[in-house]
Amino acid sequence: AQSVTQLDSHVSVSEGTPVLLRCNYSSSYSPSLFWYVQHPNKGLQLLLKYTSAATLVKGINGFEAEFKKSETSFHLTKPSAHMSDAAEYFCVVRNNDMRFGAGTRLTVKP
Amino acid sequence: DAGVIQSPRHEVTEMGQEVTLRCKPISGHNSLFWYRQTMMRGLELLIYFNNNVPIDDSGMPEDRFSAKMPNASFSTLKIQPSEPRDSAVYFCASGPQGSLDTEAFFGQGTRLTVV
Repeated sequence: AQSVTQLDSHVSVSEGTPVLLRCNYSSSYSPSLFWYVQHPNKGLQLLLKYTSAATLVKGINGFEAEFKKSETSFHLTKPSAHMSDAAEYFCVVRNNDMRFGAGTRLTVKP
Repeated sequence: DAGVIQSPRHEVTEMGQEVTLRCKPISGHNSLFWYRQTMMRGLELLIYFNNNVPIDDSGMPEDRFSAKMPNASFSTLKIQPSEPRDSAVYFCASGPQGSLDTEAFFGQGTRLTVV
């Protein structure tokens, strides 16, 4: 069985400050891990993915995530938040099927 | 490629009616997923197919829900009879099979309202 746990349902940051969205995974096998973003009333867009090639993964819009096997974590970070980053973020684990975390709503204050 | 195409984008129906949601995956993709998104339950995987064959339908909530994939370019999700609690956004996604490190590409979703 596999699953992901997003540790924060809501994160609020000020524009220009760092973003940290936390994700822990559980998987019987070496997982593939993804972060997706969903803007209001929109579909889901891939931010980045981990596929065992490198533990630090860079994605679109300045986001990156680090795979830490010892901590079973795959946290999403960005050095400086922009207003346009306000959205819902989902951590996803894949092993045949694709299981989504509950999501973290990111609010960016001016 | 036009991406994953879902229809209709919005559907309003009365309780008890049959509802059919449609999905055209990206050409060449042979994995297809159906998800339901609600405020209360988030994104739930309902069913997924590989090469048109249902692999895991354990997420289908009850017998009122059924999904088919008659060929590689078309899938349907049917609810019969529909109930107000089925109101949600339903997403279809497709991905290339053969490698578990490939992402899924999502359609824009169908917003279903059952009154």
